[in-house]
Amino acid sequence: NAGVTQTPKFQVLKTGQSMTLQCAQDMNHNSMYWYRQDPGMGLRLIYYSASEGTTDKGEVPNGYNVSRLNKREFSLRLESAAPSQTSVYFCASSDLLNQPQHFGDGTRLSIL
Amino acid sequence: QKEVEQNSGPLSVPEGAIASLNCTYSDRGSQSFFWYRQYSGKSPELIMSIYSNGDKEDGRFTAQLNKASQYVSLLIRDSQPSDSATYLCAVNGGASGGSNYKLTFGKGTLLTVNP
Repeated sequence: NAGVTQTPKFQVLKTGQSMTLQCAQDMNHNSMYWYRQDPGMGLRLIYYSASEGTTDKGEVPNGYNVSRLNKREFSLRLESAAPSQTSVYFCASSDLLNQPQHFGDGTRLSIL
Repeated sequence: QKEVEQNSGPLSVPEGAIASLNCTYSDRGSQSFFWYRQYSGKSPELIMSIYSNGDKEDGRFTAQLNKASQYVSLLIRDSQPSDSATYLCAVNGGASGGSNYKLTFGKGTLLTVNP
């Protein structure tokens, strides 16, 4: 039982490049989330999906887009990467919106 | 704006002692409370959930919730060096805005257990 799987684990981009972070969960959870974690800032919610077919902005959505591809998969896209988006990105899922969230291992993204 | 406040630490305790981690939150309507442990370079791991006033015990961990004081704490008994990590308090739900999605995290308290 893998839980929440994120790919890739590490990535280095140049400013202006685009990329998509992938997330898949095998717990049959309804809700999925994308966070970024920066030193001194804690975990901040970028986007979330309460259920298949819906997405909503979180605290820091600018510069990102998301797609809830199906119940299992929730991707995060950086259209034009900026150095300020250098961070560790975590995907999480939960059965319902107010239930505990379970996190993937994270993607460490550096933008030069 | 919902806020969750934690002392950043570091909190240093000797092996075998009780570590006490504290968290306050601003949204009086909050319904669900969680403690996560995060080792350096790793992802947050859920260790405790608490939903009602009082204490909840799980092994060496005890979560305490006081909604009137808007305060939640985590006690770790018989602390071990392997407990050295950052502990994140997270608060979910609440009447304001009608949205339950937002799991607001504190910035975490770094705990160091010295052998």
